[in-house]
Amino acid sequence: QQPVQSPQAVILREGEDAVINCSSSKALYSVHWYRQKHGEAPVFLMILLKGGEQKGHDKISASFNEKKQQSSLYLTASQLSYSGTYFCGTGGGFNAGGTSYGKLTFGQGTILTVHP
Amino acid sequence: SQTIHQWPATLVQPVGSPLSLECTVEGTSNPNLYWYRQAAGRGLQLLFYSVGIGQISSEVPQNLSASRPQDRQFILSSKKLLLSDSGFYLCAWSKGLSLDTQYFGPGTRLTVL
Repeated sequence: QQPVQSPQAVILREGEDAVINCSSSKALYSVHWYRQKHGEAPVFLMILLKGGEQKGHDKISASFNEKKQQSSLYLTASQLSYSGTYFCGTGGGFNAGGTSYGKLTFGQGTILTVHP
Repeated sequence: SQTIHQWPATLVQPVGSPLSLECTVEGTSNPNLYWYRQAAGRGLQLLFYSVGIGQISSEVPQNLSASRPQDRQFILSSKKLLLSDSGFYLCAWSKGLSLDTQYFGPGTRLTVL
């Protein structure tokens, strides 16, 4: 099933913070975050693996709570360049034979707009 | 480094015409390859994925088909386009399936009139 992202859209002024959530109805093994600018291809931001880790670079970070089957993306002190649509993609893990299976299933996206 | 190419970049086709979109990856071998479609303002819908030459898995029943004639080449085709086939088609590659990052090509914007 497709993960659910919230909110669907958020409008910020430069310097404000935002949180985008990604929830799944089934067990998660990995969560991938992407940002897509209008008319362009999605660009990879970060991947979080099972284990409840957090990651971040610059002022964008993410957490992964496998018990709650959700991930959150945190954008701190937003910049104009952060504008775009953010997608989470969830992965299914491995089968009994140890072979990776399960494609990424992407959420519907969260539109982030940062104004000066 | 790895690069992924798609062509054409834009395409306008009449209803009922055939379609062929091409995707090639450079700088890696045995990639997993994917075709996605994105309708205007919508999310990413996985159409096909391939783990090797000649191996195609279809995700959504439709009038599209995919082929992988070479290790780093992935082709999306249709014999007769429908209006609903309009959208932004993205090819992506990864080293593995769910635990590996997917890298997207620049996309093809298809308009069916």
